[in-house]
Amino acid sequence: QKEVEQNSGPLSVPEGAIASLNCTYSDRGSQSFFWYRQYSGKSPELIMSIYSNGDKEDGRFTAQLNKASQYVSLLIRDSQPSDSATYLCAVNIRGYQKVTFGTGTKLQVIP
Amino acid sequence: KAGVTQTPRYLIKTRGQQVTLSCSPISGHRSVSWYQQTPGQGLQFLFEYFSETQRNKGNFPGRFSGRQFSNSRSEMNVSTLELGDSALYLCASSLGMPGLAGWSEQFFGPGTRLTVL
Repeated sequence: QKEVEQNSGPLSVPEGAIASLNCTYSDRGSQSFFWYRQYSGKSPELIMSIYSNGDKEDGRFTAQLNKASQYVSLLIRDSQPSDSATYLCAVNIRGYQKVTFGTGTKLQVIP
Repeated sequence: KAGVTQTPRYLIKTRGQQVTLSCSPISGHRSVSWYQQTPGQGLQFLFEYFSETQRNKGNFPGRFSGRQFSNSRSEMNVSTLELGDSALYLCASSLGMPGLAGWSEQFFGPGTRLTVL
């Protein structure tokens, strides 16, 4: 079982729709969770971090964490073509500065 | 505040050579992590340094090594290069001290694209 799993996609959504990206992780000791966006040919950019169960909103982005189900998701409201990128889920076990990344979900927003 | 910088941005080497990559973290960040990114394997963790000490290491052969200096700048070295070492090498910095708000949030540099011929 992979430590961090994501559906590779591509996930295609029409412009203006909600994009839902999902991630599961295997280690129950995980405490910090991150979503990164990576455009083709660029390095990953941190867009959200979440540490406790529930929702965290930042603009059009909402991260959702459910530790009991070992599940973290990212919702992008009012998706724009500029949101087209690969989204990486990352997990950090508390006390260890070792972040494990999923393989990423490619999102395509269709104008 | 300036971001993470990496040098060089592009590098072409031949098999058997060695290479050194450099990373300067965000000012005030004491943790530097290195990753290898390839299309097939995604982002793979190499190692992490904090205050000149390696705290964590990934599953890479001993040909991959690193170090961190007192100013938190870090270097990564790959010896006896193989074709499979061709990849984007990314450096990420963070505060690194548990207990500080956002201590584990990592910010990436632009990467060094290494091509081994």
